[in-house]
Amino acid sequence: NAGVTQTPKFQVLKTGQSMTLQCAQDMNHNSMYWYRQDPGMGLRLIYYSASEGTTDKGEVPNGYNVSRLNKREFSLRLESAAPSQTSVYFCALRGGVYEQYFGPGTRLTVT
Amino acid sequence: AQSVSQHNHHVILSEAASLELGCNYSYGGTVNLFWYVQYPGQHLQLLLKYFSGDPLVKGIKGFEAEFIKSKFSFNLRKPSVQWSDTAEYFCAVNPSSGNTGKLIFGQGTTLQVKP
Repeated sequence: NAGVTQTPKFQVLKTGQSMTLQCAQDMNHNSMYWYRQDPGMGLRLIYYSASEGTTDKGEVPNGYNVSRLNKREFSLRLESAAPSQTSVYFCALRGGVYEQYFGPGTRLTVT
Repeated sequence: AQSVSQHNHHVILSEAASLELGCNYSYGGTVNLFWYVQYPGQHLQLLLKYFSGDPLVKGIKGFEAEFIKSKFSFNLRKPSVQWSDTAEYFCAVNPSSGNTGKLIFGQGTTLQVKP
């Protein structure tokens, strides 16, 4: 989906390292979301942002922080990565009524 | 807590076989329902959606789903699958209350279609 971009595509971290996953949209939508995808567990919501400057916790927020400084960008930060955070991370934005458009994902491995 | 359950975790079919993937949700109020598909190595794409009206909805690539309110179900169907339908399929629910747009996803079903 060209409207949602994520960087990086792949990342390997060591336990305790920090990093920020970036998400940007060019669709001018207000609501943005961060999910993690794990085998057999579907997608689980980490954080979401209803609009610029506002964020709220989702189902699995522990170990993460987010930032929505402007309408276009929504970043996810891991302050001290743990092996349990090995996952594929998807950013999404809400378009239309309630459907969501997803970015290409970031595959993160924490060793 | 609200949840979505997909009964089939891994389905293997031959081309031209019919497909039905089950999805049940636990929420007593009004819901919006979705099926997403994730082809190997790609991001999730919307397959179809239900908000209101005719409970039988048609999506892309010949897929359809039926909302049965009394059974809290939204099963996905396709009369004749193709090898290119090999993918992972996710059912998702958005409870209408709160207007946050949050989606609750099922665990996913991996579909493998043999040529």
